[in-house]
Amino acid sequence: KAGVTQTPRYLIKTRGQQVTLSCSPISGHRSVSWYQQTPGQGLQFLFEYFSETQRNKGNFPGRFSGRQFSNSRSEMNVSTLELGDSALYLCASSSPLAEPRTGELFFGEGSRLTVL
Amino acid sequence: GQNIDQPTEMTATEGAIVQINCTYQTSGFNGLFWYQQHAGEAPTFLSYNVLDGLEEKGRFSSFLSRSKGYSYLLLKELQMKDSASYLCAVWNQAGTALIFGKGTTLSVSS
Repeated sequence: KAGVTQTPRYLIKTRGQQVTLSCSPISGHRSVSWYQQTPGQGLQFLFEYFSETQRNKGNFPGRFSGRQFSNSRSEMNVSTLELGDSALYLCASSSPLAEPRTGELFFGEGSRLTVL
Repeated sequence: GQNIDQPTEMTATEGAIVQINCTYQTSGFNGLFWYQQHAGEAPTFLSYNVLDGLEEKGRFSSFLSRSKGYSYLLLKELQMKDSASYLCAVWNQAGTALIFGKGTTLSVSS
């Protein structure tokens, strides 16, 4: 079956702009998580959605937001971009059939954002 | 909160054995994961430990000691393709988010 799909794969923006990233989870997966990955900080948790509800949010400013649709697809938005927002943004989904605490995350290839 | 520590870099030679350590502090323990991430690729699942002891899966094994807040990933018969970043992660207390360490970059040379 198809894996987690993220679009766009690469994008370049300038400071002050906003960006929307999209994630399509594996079919049947209802939990979608977003992570920011940078060389200095590693993988940092942004937020997690399950059945269109945000269940958890990481320690990021309000400029970072997200949502999940009824088909489990998710989007994240970053407004008023800053240079420090340059990063790889990874989306991951997990199966509702497994106990959440044992369910592994399946990651997409990521969206690489460069802010100039 | 959660805190995860692992070495930044390690080097080893083909055919050798390497152990990547991970120490964690968490307010509620619900399991520990190891992921592998090759440069430019997505992280992929390697192992999950929730009980103390060693879990073996082919050339890879993962160990957990909950009382010590300690885990390690053991890679045997190293191959060049094992050059990657290895990420240790634990669930947050609510079980809704995986918190990752910064990763250990392993370089395997011939």
